[in-house]
Amino acid sequence: KQEVTQIPAALSVPEGENLVLNCSFTDSAIYNLQWFRQDPGKGLTSLLLIQSSQREQTSGRLNASLDKSSGRSTLYIAASQPGDSATYLCAVRPGYSTLTFGKGTMLLVSP
Amino acid sequence: DTAVSQTPKYLVTQMGNDKSIKCEQNLGHDTMYWYKQDSKKFLKIMFSYNNKELIINETVPNRFSPKSPDKAHLNLHINSLELGDSAVYFCASNKQGEGYTFGSGTRLTVV
Repeated sequence: KQEVTQIPAALSVPEGENLVLNCSFTDSAIYNLQWFRQDPGKGLTSLLLIQSSQREQTSGRLNASLDKSSGRSTLYIAASQPGDSATYLCAVRPGYSTLTFGKGTMLLVSP
Repeated sequence: DTAVSQTPKYLVTQMGNDKSIKCEQNLGHDTMYWYKQDSKKFLKIMFSYNNKELIINETVPNRFSPKSPDKAHLNLHINSLELGDSAVYFCASNKQGEGYTFGSGTRLTVV
């Protein structure tokens, strides 16, 4: 059974810092990995999708990497802004099942 | 707008009632899902459905049943609501091999 762990559970940084959110998964036989953002009381917004054959994906100030063999992914946020404050969720799609989520990292970027 | 839409956004109901949550996607996706987000914000799969196969998470009580009138709709029907059913329910969809798109959620409160 696939398990997804996100570290840290919460993170508070001043505006302008670069930061890294970590995600690990127990079964490396994944189809793809997706990072989402969830604002309080809102739905999930997809940030980046990495297919199993890819090593990284970039969108603006966000960069996600995938190391399938070690069961790890990182989400790098450059030059953080208060508007980046949200919960970031990592989810993996095992080859045999549906998207499985971690418990998220709650990020607070202070002005 | 292309999206996954859920209605209602909020639902407050008494124990023992039967209720339905509707979901529609206009993205042309072939698979739809229902996820439950509990009070600790953890997202867990309930059902996945395409026109060939319904996969049910074995932990979901049989009071919950998905109903799909066509490829673009997957409604969630809940019988005999219990206090523990209070949660946020998210509908999602995807095309095989691609990322998931989520609706904005339905906050269900059972009193």
